[in-house]
Amino acid sequence: QKEVEQNSGPLSVPEGAIASLNCTYSDRVSQSFFWYRQYSGKSPELIMSIYSNGDKEDGRFTAQLNKASQYVSLLIRDSQPSDSATYLCASGAAGNKLTFGGGTRVLVKP
Amino acid sequence: GAGVSQSPRYKVAKRGQDVALRCDPISGHVSLFWYQQALGQGPEFLTYFQNEAQLDKSGLPSDRFFAERPEGSVSTLKIQRTQQEDSAVYLCASRVIGYNEQFFGPGTRLTVL
Repeated sequence: QKEVEQNSGPLSVPEGAIASLNCTYSDRVSQSFFWYRQYSGKSPELIMSIYSNGDKEDGRFTAQLNKASQYVSLLIRDSQPSDSATYLCASGAAGNKLTFGGGTRVLVKP
Repeated sequence: GAGVSQSPRYKVAKRGQDVALRCDPISGHVSLFWYQQALGQGPEFLTYFQNEAQLDKSGLPSDRFFAERPEGSVSTLKIQRTQQEDSAVYLCASRVIGYNEQFFGPGTRLTVL
């Protein structure tokens, strides 16, 4: 079992809809969680970080963390074709190395 | 300001050759990380520096992999006697001390023939 699990997708959503991405982690000592967006052939780009239980909103993005369930999610509202990418979930323990999931590919269809 | 830079962006090596990959972190970023990303997978941690000290090298896959950061700024990842399974994108990330967010460079795509 991988330490960070994501559905590989593709997750297909119509333009303007909400994309919902899920991630589970197994290491209970993980303290910080991140969502990165990665376009094909490009490097990961940080879009959200979350450390406490609950929701964190930034523009069209909302991250949700539930440490009891070891679950992190990302909502993308008003999805745009430019949101089509692979979204990587990562956990961090003791503020050092990140452990990544395999990524979820999102396709936003006009 | 300038982001993390890496060179070369692409490297083709014959099996058995040695390669050196360079990372120049964001100015002032004390922490530097190397990751390996195989096609279709998430990045995998290789090693971590704080200034010039290599604090974690648990992810280096074999003793053919070696990393250094002698002056606490630029880092080099060296792979000796490259094998086909070393083909991947090598990503460098840096981080400001006191914060957890890591910022990635463009990566070096290594292809071993």
